[in-house]
Parts: sequence; structure tokens; C-alpha cells
Amino acid sequence: AQTVTQSQPEMSVQEAETVTLSCTYDTSENNYYLFWYKQPPSRQMILVIRQEAYKQQNATENRFSVNFQKAAKSFSLKISDSQLGDTAMYFCAFMKGPNTGNQFYFGTGTSLTVIP
Amino acid sequence: GAVVSQHPSWVICKSGTSVKIECRSLDFQATTMFWYRQFPKQSLMLMATSNEGSKATYEQGVEKDKFLINHASLTLSTLTVTSAHPEDSSFYICSASTGGLRNEQFFGPGTRLTVL
Repeated sequence: AQTVTQSQPEMSVQEAETVTLSCTYDTSENNYYLFWYKQPPSRQMILVIRQEAYKQQNATENRFSVNFQKAAKSFSLKISDSQLGDTAMYFCAFMKGPNTGNQFYFGTGTSLTVIP
Repeated sequence: GAVVSQHPSWVICKSGTSVKIECRSLDFQATTMFWYRQFPKQSLMLMATSNEGSKATYEQGVEKDKFLINHASLTLSTLTVTSAHPEDSSFYICSASTGGLRNEQFFGPGTRLTVL
């Protein structure tokens, strides 16, 4: 079975500063996908960034980047130049490779507060 | 981008009644849809996986006779909570997958169910 662990239930960061959210996972799969989703107070799940396990290069989307360490099964999210709108719950998620059912396995989430 | 809608967004019902929640992919065909349950300040828990034209696959511990899932077309899946009780009160979220190599999943805005 796949497990996803987020060890930081709550975090805060000053506006314009950088924050890193941690995520570790456990799997015996070699091919898989990793995601970070943001859930603001509206409860709508929003994709922040995704990483294919076969890619060694860390994914980057504007102010969001990941540090993917496959051997260590670690997938942290770095948010640079934090903005007030980044305040939300952040969930790390794991998905097996193609043609395996596409089920997500979510971590327990990290509540991020950006302080003005 | 792909849009998934849910209806209703909020429903209040009396204990013992049944409630139907619809999940629609508005601008794409979803080969697979997923239903999640989220309690306050908790993560999303996968309830079942729904493929068009076939029976849903339920996660361990989810009562298939209580949570009826129908995936009648490539754009519509429904979740019916039968004989609802107060402990069924929760936030229900669906997601839809396009399948294929990218394994994209798009989330609906969720439905808040309150059982009195």
C-alpha cells in the first residue's frame, strides 16, 4: 500500500518570505506521479505542481518548486515570495503510474498561513 | 482548463432520507471519476472509483449499499447517500480523470452534506 506523510500540520510564513513544506511517501512502485494540491477556504482543490518520478529534474511552476529525492522518497514544496493568497491547506498526493487506476493517495495536509 | 461541477453545493436533509450528489465533467469526457470524503481539518479519503458503464470499486470500509454510485455516462457520476444519518455529515468531493499518460485529475468544488 502507498502512504503519504506530511509531518507539519501547521506552518506560517511572513509575506514575501520563502517556506518549504515537507512530504515523504512509501511505495514499492518505480513509476509514479507526485502532486501538490492547494485547498483554500473555498475548499476547491487546485493543482499547484506535479512531478513524474522518472524525471530527475525538479518541477517548477513560477513561485512554486519541488525538491524531489526519489531514493529518499521525499517530495518537498518550496514557495518563494509568499503571498497572502497562498494561505491554504496544502496536500501532497501520490498516484501510481499509467493504467493502474489513477487513484490518489493524499497526505494529511499542512495548513499554511501567510502573515502580512 | 477542464471543469468539473458538483450539484448541489450544500444540502441539508433529515435523518433517514436519501441524498443524491451529481458530478459532471463539463468540457471533457471522464473515463474515471472518483468520490472522496473530507471531514473538517482532515485530508481527502477516497471512497470509491467509478468507471463509466461498470460497477464502482469501493475502498475498504466504505459501505457500497449506503453510498450508491452510478456512472451512467462519460460526463456524469452520481453519489447517493441512502438513509443518511448525522455521522454521514461531511464534505464530499468528486474528481474526474481523462485517463491517458498524463493521468490528469480535475476536482469538483465539493458538496457539503448536513444531516439533521
